Amino acid sequence: DAGVTQSPTHLIKTRGQHVTLRCSPISGHKSVSWYQQVLGQGPQFIFQYYEKEERGRGNFPDRFSARQFPNYSSELNVNALLLGDSALYLCASSLRSPGQGILSNQPQHFGDGTRLSIL
Amino acid sequence: TQLLEQSPQFLSIQEGENLTVYCNSSSVFSSLQWYRQEPGEGPVLLVTVVTGGEVKKLKRLTFQFGDARKDSSLHITAAQPGDTGLYLCAGAQSNSGYALNFGKGTSLLVTP
Repeated sequence: DAGVTQSPTHLIKTRGQHVTLRCSPISGHKSVSWYQQVLGQGPQFIFQYYEKEERGRGNFPDRFSARQFPNYSSELNVNALLLGDSALYLCASSLRSPGQGILSNQPQHFGDGTRLSIL
Repeated sequence: TQLLEQSPQFLSIQEGENLTVYCNSSSVFSSLQWYRQEPGEGPVLLVTVVTGGEVKKLKRLTFQFGDARKDSSLHITAAQPGDTGLYLCAGAQSNSGYALNFGKGTSLLVTP
């Protein structure tokens, strides 16, 4: 079975532009989360989606938005790009949503990310 | 805010040596996961621990979750060059929708 797939793998943008990153979860996984990983740091949580609804949001500005589609794939949008947005953007999928008892501890499976560089 | 502190930040050892990586917090987690990440790739899940005091073994890797579910350790026996990578611990909390809080990672280099 295919793992989590993300596209594109690399992207170069300039300040002020916007970007859309895409993620396809593992087949059967209904929950998708987005993380930002700056060089030398661990991933930071941005969003979590389940059944097309936002279920969690990290400490990121409103320039960051996301959505989930009926087929459970997801897009992350970032507007008015800043130099500091340069990072590896990771998508993770899991089997169930938060708040479903012990099953909420379902492990998250990550894609290889999109490397975004802002010039 | 970094909820999880990992130590050491960097570790360079020779093949055959043993090592322990620590992941500490003042917060309680419902579960804790360990990942290994290689350059240009996403983190790969190694193990999930859920119960305080739990010990899990994965070949030469031993993972332990603290009794209070605030800390964890990863011990590698007889390290091999293939163990080289960035080791990340990540905790999930019910009050944050089980979003993962990651540590900064421990970068391990094992030389032949």
